[in-house]
Amino acid sequence: DSGVTQTPKHLITATGQRVTLRCSPRSGDLSVYWYQQSLDQGLQFLIQYYNGEERAKGNILERFSAQQFPDLHSELNLSSLELGDSALYFCASSPGPVPGNTIYFGEGSWLTVV
Amino acid sequence: EDQVTQSPEALRLQEGESSSLNCSYTVSGLRGLFWYRQDPGKGPEFLFTLYSAGEEKEKERLKATLTKKESFLHITAPKPEDSATYLCAVQAGQAGTALIFGKGTTLSVSS
Repeated sequence: DSGVTQTPKHLITATGQRVTLRCSPRSGDLSVYWYQQSLDQGLQFLIQYYNGEERAKGNILERFSAQQFPDLHSELNLSSLELGDSALYFCASSPGPVPGNTIYFGEGSWLTVV
Repeated sequence: EDQVTQSPEALRLQEGESSSLNCSYTVSGLRGLFWYRQDPGKGPEFLFTLYSAGEEKEKERLKATLTKKESFLHITAPKPEDSATYLCAVQAGQAGTALIFGKGTTLSVSS
């Protein structure tokens, strides 16, 4: 158990809909990272928050947004969903702003868009 | 553009048959190279971090090494429980603080 908690574990929704994925980082970790994993693309970095502020941005679509709340949990919002958004979405956390050797991943949220 | 390439994509071994997985990278300013293990439907599990060429780290049957252009994950006398996908990732200057992952090598060890 990495200590990173993600909900929901599985989600099935229709095209055009909006979903929210939630992540609770490990106790004491201030950074939260979001990654998307699909069969053909591997793990793709989406966005990082550190202590409530956006710190780094990757290949995140404009239809996607994220935020980190004062209690340090984070939410990834996916809107106007398309079939191609079906993937495993991972959250990871680390104590500081840089991953170093202490970045741990959650179990992921499976999103299926039908 | 920063890139990480892993080979082979898939590897099938007999129990006890040692082998190596390769991770080659092209990045500006390597700040760290990471190895993770991922089981089906699970999150990546941290294995090693290497920071400079010549560095080596070991954990049970696994040994990771780093050169200026690539890293190897050596698996000695593997067991069926070593079957998993092994992911390599780099933290590079241009990418800020993000980890850039390769697509992984899926290892299957049969008894």
